[in-house]
Amino acid sequence: LAKTTQPISMDSYEGQEVNITCSHNNIATNDYITWYQQFPSQGPRFIIQGYKTKVTNEVASLFIPADRKSSTLSLPRVSLSDTAVYYCLVGDDPSSGDKLTFGTGTRLAVRP
Amino acid sequence: KAGVTQTPRYLIKTRGQQVTLSCSPISGHRSVSWYQQTPGQGLQFLFEYFSETQRNKGNFPGRFSGRQFSNSRSEMNVSTLELGDSALYLCASSLGQGLTYEQYFGPGTRLTVT
Repeated sequence: LAKTTQPISMDSYEGQEVNITCSHNNIATNDYITWYQQFPSQGPRFIIQGYKTKVTNEVASLFIPADRKSSTLSLPRVSLSDTAVYYCLVGDDPSSGDKLTFGTGTRLAVRP
Repeated sequence: KAGVTQTPRYLIKTRGQQVTLSCSPISGHRSVSWYQQTPGQGLQFLFEYFSETQRNKGNFPGRFSGRQFSNSRSEMNVSTLELGDSALYLCASSLGQGLTYEQYFGPGTRLTVT
């Protein structure tokens, strides 16, 4: 399973665009990149998933360069309710016991 | 449709006791995974069940076990509880195995071991 590295924390203000980058140098050919969001005292919630190039949904965009060794989650015009921990996951090998390693995530604080 | 439900939501146990946590997945989901979340270690994968069979297991001691029933409901058991087992235990269900399937998490069971 590819190990991921994310910033521990980030600060932003309401209305700004936030970009959180995740490094995954050992990503395998079949691996997908998935991002989850977690609010305090709740379970994580799926945000977006991609394999290459760019993926966009109603919540966020995911940018993946050609070498796939990193990915960037982009949150447009954040609000206070986007304050949460964001996790980047990489992998899809069902035989791996660590296939769903969330890591420590990035704690995003949005200020008024 | 109804989300993932976990019972109980809060639990206080004493060292040496054992505990059983329950998870009911979203209707139609056949995969159930369990996670342990602590402030120091973050969110760690315990195991995954699919069609009543354990498919994956994380790096946890044998005191942590689980099972899945024919209706996809799952239970997790921790025997001989230790103080370090105090954590939020999360259950997630999905249609199938692998990260390509979106995981839906329950609210968790907060276990405190004294």
